[in-house]
Amino acid sequence: KQEVTQIPAALSVPEGENLVLNCSFTDSAIYNLQWFRQDPGKGLTSLLLIQSSQREQTSGRLNASLDKSSGRSTLYIAASQPGDSATYLCAFPSGTYKYIFGTGTRLKVLA
Amino acid sequence: KAGVTQTPRYLIKTRGQQVTLSCSPISGHRSVSWYQQTPGQGLQFLFEYFSETQRNKGNFPGRFSGRQFSNSRSEMNVSTLELGDSALYLCASSETGGATEAFFGQGTRLTVV
Repeated sequence: KQEVTQIPAALSVPEGENLVLNCSFTDSAIYNLQWFRQDPGKGLTSLLLIQSSQREQTSGRLNASLDKSSGRSTLYIAASQPGDSATYLCAFPSGTYKYIFGTGTRLKVLA
Repeated sequence: KAGVTQTPRYLIKTRGQQVTLSCSPISGHRSVSWYQQTPGQGLQFLFEYFSETQRNKGNFPGRFSGRQFSNSRSEMNVSTLELGDSALYLCASSETGGATEAFFGQGTRLTVV
């Protein structure tokens, strides 16, 4: 059974810091991996999608990497801002048309 | 391009009632899946539909049901509501399901009193 763990569970940092959020999974047979952000009480916003053949993807201040052999993905946030405060989730499709989600990292960026 | 639209955004229902939630996927997307999110359980998969066919169903009681229409819009229904059904219900759409990128709606917040 696939297990997906995100570390840390919560993080509080001052504005301007560079951050690394981690996502670990036990089964390396994944098709792709998505990073989402969720604001309180809201839906999930897709941030980045990494295909299984790719090693990383970048969008603005965000960079996500994928290492299937070690069962790990990282989300790097450069120059964090208070608006980045949210819960960040990694997820990937299983072979049965459903997404498997990580446990989430709750981020707070202090002004 | 319009995103995933869920209606209504908020609902308050009484125990024992039933409720229907709606999800309109992104144009061209034929896969719609539903998730329940609660603080204690995280995101739990309910079911997935593709071209009006349910391809997978999560571990929920039969009170939870869904369907998909020919225009890919989907509804989920919960009958005989219980207090524990209070949650944020999220809908996701993708082109074909499986390994294609998923996009989520803003969710419907259901409160059962």
